[in-house]
Amino acid sequence: NAGVMQNPRHLVRRRGQEARLRCSPMKGHSHVYWYRQLPEEGLKFMVYLQKENIIDESGMPKERFSAEFPKEGPSILRIQQVVRGDSAAYFCASSPTAIWAEAFFGQGTRLTVV
Amino acid sequence: GQQVMQIPQYQHVQEGEDFTTYCNSSTTLSNIQWYKQRPGGHPVFLIQLVKSGEVKKQKRLTFQFGEAKKNSSLHITATQTTDVGTYFCAGRNNNDMRFGAGTRLTVKP
Repeated sequence: NAGVMQNPRHLVRRRGQEARLRCSPMKGHSHVYWYRQLPEEGLKFMVYLQKENIIDESGMPKERFSAEFPKEGPSILRIQQVVRGDSAAYFCASSPTAIWAEAFFGQGTRLTVV
Repeated sequence: GQQVMQIPQYQHVQEGEDFTTYCNSSTTLSNIQWYKQRPGGHPVFLIQLVKSGEVKKQKRLTFQFGEAKKNSSLHITATQTTDVGTYFCAGRNNNDMRFGAGTRLTVKP
């Protein structure tokens, strides 16, 4: 059973471009969380999704950021018109159930905006 | 919404000294989980606490969940250089999982 897969591991974008970050949860996991981590800082909650539904997006900026978790395929975190301040590590985590199970993290995508 | 505060932000100890990090939630939690992130790595699950007043041990690590289920602590006895990393608590309630800011532990040999 492969772990949570995130790709790409590293992504470089110029200001104004779009960044697409993908997360394939572990097999059988239908709960996905996205977090942003700035250098030397903690994990900031962005969005929580279940298959085809956004459950909680209270941590995600209202503009330029969107997330989806389609019926088929990976969860996607999309950042439009990236700015330097978007440079960070973006982690996704998946769990099989709501609150009673541990979350498994992917290796993260390190986004650098130049 | 739910907020999880963690202190201290940084802790530097001499190898062999003890270390404790504290986690406080603004709301009552269904459970609390602890994760460790090594430098350059990703968070890895350590343990989950569910019951009020629960205490669990993993070798030199002792985890406690407060009676009111709003706070928790992680204590490491006689730290080793392999304990280096950032320790995060994650409060879970109503399908929500919010992390504390983490405590970054460095250990001097």
